[in-house]
Amino acid sequence: DTEVTQTPKHLVMGMTNKKSLKCEQHMGHRAMYWYKQKAKKPPELMFVYSYEKLSINESVPSRFSPECPNSSLLNLHLHALQPEDSALYLCASSSPRVGRINNEQFFGPGTRLTVL
Amino acid sequence: GENVEQHPSTLSVQEGDSAVIKCTYSDSASNYFPWYKQELGKRPQLIIDIRSNVGEKKDQRIAVTLNKTAKHFSLHITETQPEDSAVYFCAASPNTGNQFYFGTGTSLTVIP
Repeated sequence: DTEVTQTPKHLVMGMTNKKSLKCEQHMGHRAMYWYKQKAKKPPELMFVYSYEKLSINESVPSRFSPECPNSSLLNLHLHALQPEDSALYLCASSSPRVGRINNEQFFGPGTRLTVL
Repeated sequence: GENVEQHPSTLSVQEGDSAVIKCTYSDSASNYFPWYKQELGKRPQLIIDIRSNVGEKKDQRIAVTLNKTAKHFSLHITETQPEDSAVYFCAASPNTGNQFYFGTGTSLTVIP
């Protein structure tokens, strides 16, 4: 299996809702990422997990809460979002850097989130 | 931290012509440079990458060159086809962590 999968593909939620985005990979990658992407802009890093531990949090508001239950799964819990949080949310995975050698990063198809 | 700049932001070429996209980076610790192609509504797809111990890499119609001294790298697409139309992102990854820093993207249009 050489893919990163994400569910759901589309999500519409109100500002008071609680929802979760899910990401899964079976490539044995031990680094997993959440990115936010607005139209025609580059992916913007939110969180990085390395060996199931949160290693990078790019000052993301607490209404976004990541979780890594195991080495294959990554969740993003959403609560009390704002309309400006509407975007494409991309999950990615890679083999963690070994020594000074970085590795390819592969993206999932994304979840298109709309906050009303 | 790393800062990646990408030019041009838009590029139109005639089918069959070549396209070149250029990126510069600031962190000398960056040693891995991937290029992604993103079609409308789809995920970024890795199309080619280069590591800092190599100056050039080629895969059929696409090639990437790296100048470590000047801290810039470029994507070259030859014999462009309409299906090459997409947004292309360069990225740089320092050897100090698992982060990837993206350029601002180039929207390439290949005119049939």
